[in-house]
Amino acid sequence: EPEVTQTPSHQVTQMGQEVILRCVPISNHLYFYWYRQILGQKVEFLVSFYNNEISEKSEIFDDQFSVERPDGSNFTLKIRSTKLEDSAMYFCASSPAPYEQYFGPGTRLTVT
Amino acid sequence: SQQGEEDPQALSIQEGENATMNCSYKTSINNLQWYRQNSGRGLVHLILIRSNEREKHSGRLRVTLDTSKKSSSLLITASRAADTASYFCATAAAYSGAGSYQLTFGKGTKLSVIP
Repeated sequence: EPEVTQTPSHQVTQMGQEVILRCVPISNHLYFYWYRQILGQKVEFLVSFYNNEISEKSEIFDDQFSVERPDGSNFTLKIRSTKLEDSAMYFCASSPAPYEQYFGPGTRLTVT
Repeated sequence: SQQGEEDPQALSIQEGENATMNCSYKTSINNLQWYRQNSGRGLVHLILIRSNEREKHSGRLRVTLDTSKKSSSLLITASRAADTASYFCATAAAYSGAGSYQLTFGKGTKLSVIP
C-alpha cells in the first residue's frame, strides 16, 4: 500500500540554523499538508498546498516557514532560523481530494 | 472547550472489553475523522464519517456522528493489547473555497488495553 514517507526521522539542530524537512507524498495525490505536534499537545495545522501554491496557512506559519514542491515527488518544509519553540514532531500529509489525509511517520525536530 | 475535544483524556480497560471515546466540536463540519497514534509515532487514519452520515463501521470500529449535538463517538469492540494508543478526532470544516481542508485535531484519548 502506498505511504507518505518523511526524512529524516529525527533532526537535531542549533537555534538559528535553517532546517529542511522532506516528504514524499503518495504519488497520485494532489493536496499536501504540514502539521506539527509539540510534545504532549495537539496536532496543529501549519499549511496546505495545492496546484503549486499555498492554499491555506495558520498563524503559526509565519515568515520563518516556507514550503516547496521542487519536483514531481518531494514536498519540503523549510524553517529559516529555528527557535527552541520549533521543537516538535512535524507531520506531512497528502490526499487525493480534500478529505481523507494520509500522514507520514513524522520528523522529530529538536532545537538546542 | 476547543474544536475537537475528546473525552475521556485517558481510558484503561481489560482486553476483550469495549472502549468508547467521545469527541465534541463547535463549528459546522464537512466530515469528522478518527486517527490513532502509537507513542511517538505517526498518525494512522482509522475512519471518516461525513456530516450527512450518522454511523459507520470498519472492522471492530464503530463511529457515530450527531451533528445536532456536535459530537461523535468511536467504539472499539473486543479490544486487544495492540489497540493501546492515543486516539484523536479531527474535524474538517465546511468547504471554504480555499482548495483544501485543514484538519483540526483534539487533544486525544490515551487508551490502555491491559492483557
